[in-house]
Amino acid sequence: LAKTTQPISMDSYEGQEVNITCSHNNIATNDYITWYQQFPSQGPRFIIQGYKTKVTNEVASLFIPADRKSSTLSLPRVSLSDTAVYYCLVGGSGGSYIPTFGRGTSLIVHP
Amino acid sequence: DSGVTQTPKHLITATGQRVTLRCSPRSGDLSVYWYQQSLDQGLQFLIQYYNGEERAKGNILERFSAQQFPDLHSELNLSSLELGDSALYFCASSPLWGAVDTGELFFGEGSRLTVL
Repeated sequence: LAKTTQPISMDSYEGQEVNITCSHNNIATNDYITWYQQFPSQGPRFIIQGYKTKVTNEVASLFIPADRKSSTLSLPRVSLSDTAVYYCLVGGSGGSYIPTFGRGTSLIVHP
Repeated sequence: DSGVTQTPKHLITATGQRVTLRCSPRSGDLSVYWYQQSLDQGLQFLIQYYNGEERAKGNILERFSAQQFPDLHSELNLSSLELGDSALYFCASSPLWGAVDTGELFFGEGSRLTVL
């Protein structure tokens, strides 16, 4: 199971772009990278998933370098409502994969 | 709204008691996961069921048990409750077992258990 490492916390201000990097040095060939967002007292919510290069949706972008040993979640122009915990998960499709959430990155957006 | 329903939302009980938490997955989802989230432990995987069968176990205590019924809803039973069992318990569902490439887990709002 690929272990992930991400910063415990980050601070930003409204309107700024936030980049949260996750390290996953022992990612396997079939592993995907998935990010979730969790607000206090709510269940985590899927944000974005990718395998390589760049993925973009209406919420975020995910940048994955060629060696796939890290990934960066990019949140454009954050607002106060983006204050949440962000989790990076790495795992393969099918088989015995169990989504394992670490402690995540607590992002606080200031006015 | 994720489509996953958990009941009850809040539960207060005493040590030594037994409680049952219920989860209805999204329509059509065959896989159900249970997670425990406490302040000091983060989000911990407990157990997973797929189409009625147990598929994976995490750090689930022997005092805890779960099952998934033919209609695919699941129940998590917590017995001989201790103060340390106070936590948020989340249920999540997905269409397939271990299916990462189809996207995501869908989480419910959670059941907050307080043991006094």
